[in-house]
Amino acid sequence: QKEVEQNSGPLSVPEGAIASLNCTYSDRGSQSFFWYRQYSGKSPELIMFIYSNGDKEDGRFTAQLNKASQYVSLLIRDSQPSDSATYLCAVRSGNTPLVFGKGTRLSVIA
Amino acid sequence: DAGVTQSPTHLIKTRGQQVTLRCSPKSGHDTVSWYQQALGQGPQFIFQYYEEEERQRGNFPDRFSGHQFPNYSSELNVNALWLGDSALYLCASSLALDSPLHFGNGTRLTVT
Repeated sequence: QKEVEQNSGPLSVPEGAIASLNCTYSDRGSQSFFWYRQYSGKSPELIMFIYSNGDKEDGRFTAQLNKASQYVSLLIRDSQPSDSATYLCAVRSGNTPLVFGKGTRLSVIA
Repeated sequence: DAGVTQSPTHLIKTRGQQVTLRCSPKSGHDTVSWYQQALGQGPQFIFQYYEEEERQRGNFPDRFSGHQFPNYSSELNVNALWLGDSALYLCASSLALDSPLHFGNGTRLTVT
């Protein structure tokens, strides 16, 4: 059973701070890693994906992958109240279906 | 460029009834996946369609069935609805079987 684990939160950070969201996965064969943002009552929106160990930056977002530790994280710099949402980590190996975690609820306090 | 579109937005059904949800993929995408998301949970994979065939299926009963049409649009059918089928049903499309998924706005199904 492939599992993706996330702390459900809520994670509260002050406006302008760095928010750090973490995710672990059980399948060592996982190859693709995705972060989705989901506002309350809305559908998931793709923020970033990463395939290789290390960091990948896109604007205020940085995804970090450590396959040896089976760990992937998302950093949000200069957090804004509009970043308040649930962040879903999703993992896939090859063509297998995307497996999602339950998500971490982030609250950015103005 | 239209993204993934789903209809209807909301639906209320009675236990035992049948429902059909519809999805049009993003332009250029030929692979459609369906997910069920219960409140407070992550999306759970139902099945995936490519070239009008079900390619992969999650741990859902046969009451859940689907179809993909030649224009790549897709339907999800659920028979004999249970109360537990109440959820947000998400359709996602992708360029290929291993590409990132792009989700539609979802259909909120309530079974009473």
